[in-house]
Amino acid sequence: AQRVTQPEKLLSVFKGAPVELKCNYSYSGSPELFWYVQYSRQRLQLLLRHISRESIKGFTADLNKGETSFHLKKPFAQEEDSAMYYCALSGSSNTGKLIFGQGTTLQVKP
Amino acid sequence: NAGVTQTPKFQVLKTGQSMTLQCAQDMNHEYMSWYRQDPGMGLRLIHYSVGAGITDQGEVPNGYNVSRSTTEDFPLRLLSAAPSQTSVYFCASSAGDRTHQPQHFGDGTRLSIL
Repeated sequence: AQRVTQPEKLLSVFKGAPVELKCNYSYSGSPELFWYVQYSRQRLQLLLRHISRESIKGFTADLNKGETSFHLKKPFAQEEDSAMYYCALSGSSNTGKLIFGQGTTLQVKP
Repeated sequence: NAGVTQTPKFQVLKTGQSMTLQCAQDMNHEYMSWYRQDPGMGLRLIHYSVGAGITDQGEVPNGYNVSRSTTEDFPLRLLSAAPSQTSVYFCASSAGDRTHQPQHFGDGTRLSIL
């Protein structure tokens, strides 16, 4: 079965601390993995995707096929990073469907 | 270029009432989807469409109908609202190719069923 798991509902860190939001997936083929972010009172938006291997707002994520993980990392958290983060999976035959994890709320304290 | 537009933003219904949530996009995207967002459950796919005239069920389709008569519009219909359908509903669209283009989301519709 296709599944995305984000084990932490809430992650609270202090400004300047490292951040790692965990994401594990279950998929039999070759998935595309994404991280979406929802800031307060804003719409859900793409943060990054594994295929582009880029860093957005200081965040990076590496796809580990052996561990079926796609953890989101940032070395130094900022208060403006506080938001809800969703890990999502798209199947190998792209039909515009996404399977989302449960979401993790990141709270960055001053 | 407005992107994905959802109306209404808020709605309160009584059990048994019907209504249609509107979704329109102006990016000429082939793919459109409806999700519901519930606390602790993330976003779950209700229905999706890969082009005009083509729709299919997602993970939680019961109680919802969709149609796609044009590329731009993808309305979601609740035939007989139930309290379990209280949720925030998001519409999304993406380009219809094999390169897994990112989804563009609307602002959401917050729906309460009494």
